[in-house]
Amino acid sequence: KQEVTQIPAALSVPEGENLVLNCSFTDSAIYNLQWFRQDPGKGLTSLLLIQSSQREQTSGRLNASLDKSSGRSTLYIAASQPGDSATYLCAVKAYNQGGKLIFGQGTELSVKP
Amino acid sequence: SAVISQKPSRDICQRGTSLTIQCQVDSQVTMMFWYRQQPGQSLTLIATANQGSEATYESGFVIDKFPISRPNLTFSTLTVSNMSPEDSSIYLCSVDGTLANSYNEQFFGPGTRLTVL
Repeated sequence: KQEVTQIPAALSVPEGENLVLNCSFTDSAIYNLQWFRQDPGKGLTSLLLIQSSQREQTSGRLNASLDKSSGRSTLYIAASQPGDSATYLCAVKAYNQGGKLIFGQGTELSVKP
Repeated sequence: SAVISQKPSRDICQRGTSLTIQCQVDSQVTMMFWYRQQPGQSLTLIATANQGSEATYESGFVIDKFPISRPNLTFSTLTVSNMSPEDSSIYLCSVDGTLANSYNEQFFGPGTRLTVL
């Protein structure tokens, strides 16, 4: 059964710092991996989608990598800003579970001015 | 991308009552899902809403408690029946793939924040 783990659970950094959020998954049989952002009490915003055949995706200050063989993904945020404060969720779409999205527990990020 | 709206955005309900949540998408989509997010937790899939047939429920969720309708390719409802305080959660509608582009990127609505007293 696919399991997704995110480390750290919470992270507090000063504004301007570059940071890395980690995601690991137990089964490499995936269609894709998505990173989402969730503000408190709100829905999820899709940040980046990496297909299983891809190694990375970039959008603005965000860069996500995927190493399917080792079951790892990282989300790199450059020059962090207070507006980046949110919970970041990693999810994999798993072959062996009917293509369902399996979520990690999230990393709660706080960027201090 | 797909734009998803949900109604209501939030509600406070009494124990034993039912609430129906609506999900509307701005384009025809292949797959629609309903998730629950309990306080401080990640997302749990309740069911896949199937157009024209009964929804497919995940382990631990049953049709009597969470009846789902999907009359067409852009709309679905989730009802939370006979509510108890344990049902207090954010309920999220999600879609995967449009008929024009089955890209497998999944999108989420803004959520319905339910509090049961």
